Amino acid sequence: NAGVTQTPKFQVLKTGQSMTLQCAQDMNHEYMSWYRQDPGMGLRLIHYSVGAGITDQGEVPNGYNVSRSTTEDFPLRLLSAAPSQTSVYFCASSSLALHTDTQYFGPGTRLTVL
Amino acid sequence: LAKTTQPISMDSYEGQEVNITCSHNNIATNDYITWYQQFPSQGPRFIIQGYKTKVTNEVASLFIPADRKSSTLSLPRVSLSDTAVYYCLVAMNSGYSTLTFGKGTMLLVSP
Repeated sequence: NAGVTQTPKFQVLKTGQSMTLQCAQDMNHEYMSWYRQDPGMGLRLIHYSVGAGITDQGEVPNGYNVSRSTTEDFPLRLLSAAPSQTSVYFCASSSLALHTDTQYFGPGTRLTVL
Repeated sequence: LAKTTQPISMDSYEGQEVNITCSHNNIATNDYITWYQQFPSQGPRFIIQGYKTKVTNEVASLFIPADRKSSTLSLPRVSLSDTAVYYCLVAMNSGYSTLTFGKGTMLLVSP
């Protein structure tokens, strides 16, 4: 049982490049989410999904796209990277009883956009 | 949206009890309070969750007064390895998009 896995661990992009951050979980959780963490800002919700085929925006969705074709995977796409997207990105999963259940977080992806 | 307020930082020494208080004035009736711990370069990790009164597990206790406008995470006899950022999260029963983490409390434990 690997929990929540994220790849890559580190990534450097140039402005305007695109890339996909991968996230997978093996706990059969329906809820998955992406957060970004900037110094002094805590974690801010980017996008989330309550099941395969269903996604929605969080607090800071601009510049990011997501899709959920399977229960296990929830990739985050940056279509045209900008320096403001330099951050640490965390993926998390949980059962749908979010208000009483815990979120399990991945190890994070540290992204630098030059 | 129930926003949370925590102290930015706290200092302690090994073996002491540490209490971190979180304010959540607009908490709704069905909301639960959850605390997470985060070490550098790692994702947050669940510590404890509660709805009212007191909850205790093997690592911490959570005290919630009757009005539920605040909660206190209690860490007994901290060690150096408890140095981390602690987040108080009020889980929204009504909307997944409203899950937000505050800035957390940086706890530094010294020898």
